[in-house]
Amino acid sequence: QQPVQSPQAVILREGEDAVINCSSSKALYSVHWYRQKHGEAPVFLMILLKGGEQKGHEKISASFNEKKQQSSLYLTASQLSYSGTYFCGTGPAGYGGSQGNLIFGKGTKLSVKP
Amino acid sequence: DGGITQSPKYLFRKEGQNVTLSCEQNLNHDAMYWYRQDPGQGLRLIYYSQIVNDFQKGDIAEGYSVSREKKESFPLTVTSAQKNPTAFYLCASSIPRANSPLHFGNGTRLTVT
Repeated sequence: QQPVQSPQAVILREGEDAVINCSSSKALYSVHWYRQKHGEAPVFLMILLKGGEQKGHEKISASFNEKKQQSSLYLTASQLSYSGTYFCGTGPAGYGGSQGNLIFGKGTKLSVKP
Repeated sequence: DGGITQSPKYLFRKEGQNVTLSCEQNLNHDAMYWYRQDPGQGLRLIYYSQIVNDFQKGDIAEGYSVSREKKESFPLTVTSAQKNPTAFYLCASSIPRANSPLHFGNGTRLTVT
């Protein structure tokens, strides 16, 4: 089952904050987050493996709520370079986190304006 | 520098022809993957391989074939049986461990007319 990302799109001004959510109908072992600019390769942001774990990457952080089967990506004080489409990839429980079992959401398009 | 190379960047074919997309990596990763990306659909797994001479079907393997004769190479053939082959194709590799990220190539945009 493909995870559901929300919102589908968001427009920000530089310096504003945003939250992108990723929800699954299945129990999860892992959540990956990637950012992709148009026509380019997705770039790795972070992986979360344990319930409730938070990780950070510059001004981008994420949480993973195992009980709720969801992850949230937090972008603070957004910069123009944050523009792109953000994808979550969920690894279902019971597969040991094999990347071959990752299922990606449809993405959230983030546009940061000056 | 280590990385994944996909070639060509753009590919045009006539309907009914098979076409092979190249993917080479020098990251010494055991696992390699092929994803298809359509507008608004995210990334969908076509095939993956965790070791040489072995590969598994992903969610949308019909009409595609792969081989993994060498660790660094994982070519994808889009056959004439694939009903809607026009798409952006991404190759990725990783260390086959749960906390290891996917490293993506720059993709090949295939257009079939």
